[in-house]
This record gives sequence, C-alpha cells and structure tokens, in this order.
Amino acid sequence: KAGVTQTPRYLIKTRGQQVTLSCSPISGHRSVSWYQQTPGQGLQFLFEYFSETQRNKGNFPGRFSGRQFSNSRSEMNVSTLELGDSALYLCASSLEQGNQPQHFGDGTRLSIL
Amino acid sequence: GESVGLHLPTLSVQEGDNSIINCAYSNSASDYFIWYKQESGKGPQFIIDIRSNMDKRQGQRVTVLLNKTVKHLSLQIAATQPGDSAVYFCAEIADNYGQNFVFGPGTRLSVLP
Repeated sequence: KAGVTQTPRYLIKTRGQQVTLSCSPISGHRSVSWYQQTPGQGLQFLFEYFSETQRNKGNFPGRFSGRQFSNSRSEMNVSTLELGDSALYLCASSLEQGNQPQHFGDGTRLSIL
Repeated sequence: GESVGLHLPTLSVQEGDNSIINCAYSNSASDYFIWYKQESGKGPQFIIDIRSNMDKRQGQRVTVLLNKTVKHLSLQIAATQPGDSAVYFCAEIADNYGQNFVFGPGTRLSVLP
C-alpha cells in the first residue's frame, strides 16, 4: 500500500505570494492533518480534515487554509507569504475518527525569499 | 538533509547498548501517545503507540513505558543500531474526536560505532 504522498517536495516563493501544497493520503484513510515543522517551534498542528470538513484547527492566522476533496486528497494554501512561513509542511493521514496512529508523508520544504 | 532541530537534546549511545529516550507531557487528560522517528529529509515514522489504560507496551526491539502519575513517557530501544540514529518525538492527544496531536520538542539519538 502506498504511503502518504506530498507534492511538491521543494518550493521557493517570495514574500507576498501564495502557495498551494498537495497531499494524497494512504488509500482508505479519511482523516488528513497538516503540521508545520521549524527548528525553533518544532512540529505544530495546523488543521485536520475528515470527510471534507475541517474538524480541528491550530493556532495559525487565517492566511493558512485548507480543504479536502471527496477522494480524501487534501490541499493547504498559504496566502501573502511571510519570511517566517519558511518551514517543512507535513501531512499525515489516519483511518477514522478517534485516537488512531497518524502516518506522515515526507513533507514539502517551503522557502520564502 | 534538512535539519529538524538545531538545539535538540542529544543522546549518544554505543552501538549494541540500550537507549532510553524520555518525554514529559503536559496534559493530564491525554489518553493516547505515539512515538515517532524522524530521519533527515523524511517525515516522522510511526514506531509504537500506547493508550492511557496501559503502563507498558512492547514492539520489536522497542518498549514504551507510561507513568501517568508524573506525566512521563519513555521509549526504550534494545541493542541500538546505527540505523536508529534519528530524532525521536513523542506525541500526545486528549481529544477522542479529532486528530490534533501535540508533539514534544524531540531528542536526537546518535549511535556511536
């Protein structure tokens, strides 16, 4: 069974631009979560989607948004990029509701110039 | 590869020795815990999980211990190998509905030949 796939792996943008990242979960997984990882802040939860609905949201500004499609694939969007948005963005999927192991992709490395 | 943490606590062990990685969690209501391993350039990889109704759980070469009284979690790796060198994270969740895990800062394990 294929793992979580994130595209693109690397992305370079400039301040003020916007970006869309994509995540394909493990087949059969309906929950998709997004995390931001930086050396200073570690792994921080952004939001979670289940059955096309945002179920939880972390403490990030409204510039960070996401969505989930009927096939469980998910995208996250960051608008008006700032230098501090440079990070590794990780997507994780799990089977259903409740406490389940999350399985991560290898992330998208976003660099803001 | 990408750096996941520039100033992480580091544990150095000799190849073949046992490793013990510790984690203090903050939420007494957390009832599900996971240990992840992250190698350079990759996303976190699930190692083992434990629910709050258990004190100990064993996997292949790994054991997780949970002490709810002092809110402490540990990961023991038996006969540590060079391939075990990575950053290890504990993650906790207290929400039975969502999947918004809270991650610890991580510990870098370095296996010496």
